[in-house]
Amino acid sequence: KNEVEQSPQNLTAQEGEFITINCSYSVGISALHWLQQHPGGGIVSLFMLSSGKKKHGRLIATINIQEKHSSLHITASHPRDSAVYICAVSYLYSGGGADGLTFGKGTHLIIQP
Amino acid sequence: EPEVTQTPSHQVTQMGQEVILRCVPISNHLYFYWYRQILGQKVEFLVSFYNNEISEKSEIFDDQFSVERPDGSNFTLKIRSTKLEDSAMYFCASRREPNTEAFFGQGTRLTVV
Repeated sequence: KNEVEQSPQNLTAQEGEFITINCSYSVGISALHWLQQHPGGGIVSLFMLSSGKKKHGRLIATINIQEKHSSLHITASHPRDSAVYICAVSYLYSGGGADGLTFGKGTHLIIQP
Repeated sequence: EPEVTQTPSHQVTQMGQEVILRCVPISNHLYFYWYRQILGQKVEFLVSFYNNEISEKSEIFDDQFSVERPDGSNFTLKIRSTKLEDSAMYFCASRREPNTEAFFGQGTRLTVV
């Protein structure tokens, strides 16, 4: 079964720290998504990437296709960054990227003031 | 900014009853999805829908489930005879094209009693 693994499962850090969340997957993908889920439950898309690196504000996402690994970084973390961060992938075999995403279990991030 | 809207936000139903969860995807999107998240677990893919037909469905999406796009704007998930284990948060999502960013609704929390 093709799984998406995230680490760490839980992360507590102090405000201002540099945060890294990791994601690995087992077979070829057409794209990888980083998503954010707040306690209310809603899911927000942060990044979609298939190669290289993307940056949006204090968030940076990288992917290494050969190593089947992606990282999400948060610079100058802030308490409002506290949320669950989820990695999800579209597998290459699944409808050319049009079919459903396979999700990791998420990383619970708490940033303390 | 365009968004995916879901109604109701919370539904309580008795076991054995039929429920219909409603979603209005972003207007120029062509690919539609339903996902569910049982409390404390990861998000799971249920079904994808394109060109007025199901393009992929998971093992979870059995004969009790159906989807429909009854008009140009709504996308519905029907559960014919709810079971206790159907209690979960159900998310609708849409995409403009394959391998583009997925936009999620805020979810419908379904509680089966």
